[in-house]
Amino acid sequence: DGGITQSPKYLFRKEGQNVTLSCEQNLNHDAMYWYRQDPGQGLRLIYYSQIVNDFQKGDIAEGYSVSREKKESFPLTVTSAQKNPTAFYLCASSIGPIRGNSTDTQYFGPGTRLTVL
Amino acid sequence: SQQGEEDPQALSIQEGENATMNCSYKTSINNLQWYRQNSGRGLVHLILIRSNEREKHSGRLRVTLDTSKKSSSLLITASRAADTASYFCATGWGAGRRALTFGSGTRLQVQP
Repeated sequence: DGGITQSPKYLFRKEGQNVTLSCEQNLNHDAMYWYRQDPGQGLRLIYYSQIVNDFQKGDIAEGYSVSREKKESFPLTVTSAQKNPTAFYLCASSIGPIRGNSTDTQYFGPGTRLTVL
Repeated sequence: SQQGEEDPQALSIQEGENATMNCSYKTSINNLQWYRQNSGRGLVHLILIRSNEREKHSGRLRVTLDTSKKSSSLLITASRAADTASYFCATGWGAGRRALTFGSGTRLQVQP
């Protein structure tokens, strides 16, 4: 199956802990994105990466970190500096600017629901 | 603030009726997209309309774009209970950055 996967589906974190959310895609896409969604709200961009080994901050990057060492993977770490991390996290990918357009269609994973205990 | 804002925030209709959702944005764009999200799930792309297009159809979906008014509408005809979901517009090249900007969404409830 081609697609984009996220794990785990549910994640519980104690205050003060760092946690890493996984995002993997086998669509051969260059660009990947992380969004945060709070209940009843839209998506807010955390980080995005247009190509391997490069990434940019989105609107709400504070308290988060990412890496893009492989084309297929774009893990997000929620650090203890993020004061209100309980939310639904969505990862997406798109063809990207090299073979397409920076703002082409995005394909989303199923999401990870993070709860801070 | 969000680049795209949907209106209404919530919409409840009967099966068979048409549903219309609107999206307004602030800066120039190169395309506008509509996505659907079922509760607790990821988003699914529905349709993309480019800035030089005025109307686009896909099945029961019709999207219009008015760049002079910086607005778009999504029409779902002959709605079904399975259309119950949240619908988001997303704009490309908004605010000069190389990523989509999503609105806050319209929650559509279709009563059987």
